[in-house]
Amino acid sequence: GAVVSQHPSWVICKSGTSVKIECRSLDFQATTMFWYRQFPKQSLMLMATSNEGSKATYEQGVEKDKFLINHASLTLSTLTVTSAHPEDSSFYICSAQEGMVGYTFGSGTRLTVV
Amino acid sequence: GQQLNQSPQSMFIQEGEDVSMNCTSSSIFNTWLWYKQDPGEGPVLLIALYKAGELTSNGRLTAQFGITRKDSFLNISASIPSDVGIYFCAGAGNFGNEKLTFGTGTRLTIIP
Repeated sequence: GAVVSQHPSWVICKSGTSVKIECRSLDFQATTMFWYRQFPKQSLMLMATSNEGSKATYEQGVEKDKFLINHASLTLSTLTVTSAHPEDSSFYICSAQEGMVGYTFGSGTRLTVV
Repeated sequence: GQQLNQSPQSMFIQEGEDVSMNCTSSSIFNTWLWYKQDPGEGPVLLIALYKAGELTSNGRLTAQFGITRKDSFLNISASIPSDVGIYFCAGAGNFGNEKLTFGTGTRLTIIP
């Protein structure tokens, strides 16, 4: 079945630094990838949709300059949290989509900003 | 962003009991999906529904796509300890071509 690898699974960073999260589709080409954010005991909230080779589409209220998304190939999308602050601490999850495969989720990245 | 209303918010049941949860929306969806999320993990797809009125089973799980296309339910029969987790419904306009809108989640706990 379709597998999406997300790395790292957890990261702790200092306030003001940037963190990059990778999302890879291992056995299929993902035309579209989605990035979600999930706070404790809450649902997944879509942050942005990225299509290979084009700019990401951000949801309302999501700062595109803070959450940089790059979808350079059909198997890799990255989310960079720039100048991270404690309020950016959250669980970030990616999802990759390709035709009949549908939506496959990564295992998530827990970001803690100290 | 928009979220689907999911109920109940949490359930405490004994092993072996059946479980039922549902999801409602003010908008029409062409696809309904049910996911399970374990702590610290991403959601895993349980059942996908593509047609209004469709009833689909996956082992002990059964889900239905409401006729109005604004709701769906998930039933779990004879619950076992590994059923513990958070269940999310999700709706999409067109499966694989649109972003998902997630429900608020149902947390299932099995009482020893």
